This record gives sequence, structure tokens and C-alpha cells, in this order.
Amino acid sequence: QKEVEQNSGPLSVPEGAIASLNCTYSDRGSQSFFWYRQYSGKSPELIMFIYSNGDKEDGRFTAQLNKASQYVSLLIRDSQPSDSATYLCAVNYGGSQGNLIFGKGTKLSVKP
Amino acid sequence: DAGVIQSPRHEVTEMGQEVTLRCKPISGHDYLFWYRQTMMRGLELLIYFNNNVPIDDSGMPEDRFSAKMPNASFSTLKIQPSEPRDSAVYFCASSPQDRGLYEQYFGPGTRLTVT
Repeated sequence: QKEVEQNSGPLSVPEGAIASLNCTYSDRGSQSFFWYRQYSGKSPELIMFIYSNGDKEDGRFTAQLNKASQYVSLLIRDSQPSDSATYLCAVNYGGSQGNLIFGKGTKLSVKP
Repeated sequence: DAGVIQSPRHEVTEMGQEVTLRCKPISGHDYLFWYRQTMMRGLELLIYFNNNVPIDDSGMPEDRFSAKMPNASFSTLKIQPSEPRDSAVYFCASSPQDRGLYEQYFGPGTRLTVT
């Protein structure tokens, strides 16, 4: 059973702080990794993807991948109240499978 | 470029009625996915298609659910007969195949309420 695990939260951080969201996955053959943001009542929105070990930065967001430890994380620098949302981690297990396995999400609350 | 289009955005129906949800994927995308999301179960994959062919329907909860993709620009998810426990938000997503990353882009969803 291929699984993606996330802490459900809620994770509460003050405005301006760094928010750290973590995700672990069960299959070492995993190929690509995604972070989605979902505001309440809205659809998931792709914000980052990563497929190589290390860090990938995009504005205030940094995705970190460690395949040996089977975890992927998302750092949000200078957190803003508008970052308050549920963050979904998703994994593609490669091969001929085109689908993603989603975690249940971590709810982030950024307090002004 | 238009994103994934879903209709209707909201559907309220009575138990036993047939419900049809519609999806138009992003042009050029090879994969199409149907998901259901509830507070209790999170985001569940129901079925996905590659080049209009169903690849995995193991997430379809029971025979009351069926999905079709008659062409590259249109798919339907049908529930017949509907039950109150089918109440959820149903998302359609599409994905390109060319880069091998399989990132998915979601439509706005259809909020289904079965009374």
C-alpha cells in the first residue's frame, strides 16, 4: 500500500515566521513530489514540485527532498495570513503510473 | 489558456435521482482524473484516464458510479441512483504526460448535495 503521510495540524505560526510542513512517503521508487495549497471551499492549487534531492526555491517557498529518508518538506518564509490554507503533499510513484498519491493535508494558520 | 472546466458548480438532488457531472480538461493534457473530497476521507481518487482510456477505476465506490471519456475534451461522472452519502465535492483534474512529472491541475469542483 503506497502511502503519503502528513501531520493534520493545525500548524499555527505568527506572521513573518517560517512555516515548516512535512511529508513522508512509503515507496523508495517515487519519482516526483508536489505541494498543493487548498483554501477553504476552493480546489487544490499546485505551488511547487521537486524531483531531485536537495532544495528548490520559488519566491517565499522552498521545497526540500530527501529520498534516502523518504521525506519531502515545504518551507514558507515570511508567512502571511494569506498563506493560511491546507497544504497537500502528493507523490508520483513512477513507472507507467500517471496518478498521484495525496496525503490528507496539513492545515496552516498564520496569525497576524 | 483556460483551466479545467467543470459543470455544474453546485448540484442539489434527491436520493434516488441520477446525477451527471461534467469535465473539460486542459487542451493537450493526456490524463484526466476524477476525485471526491470529504472532511472525513480527504481527497480520494475515483478513476483516471490516459488518452481517453480508463486506466484505474479501483477507487469507484460501487456500481452506482460510472465514468466515461468519449473524446479528449470531455468526460462525465455519473451516479445512479444517488444516495445521501455521495454528498461531497467532486474534482476533475488533468495532467500532461510530456515531461514525465505528472503534475495535476484541478478544476473548481462540483459540490454535490443529496437529500
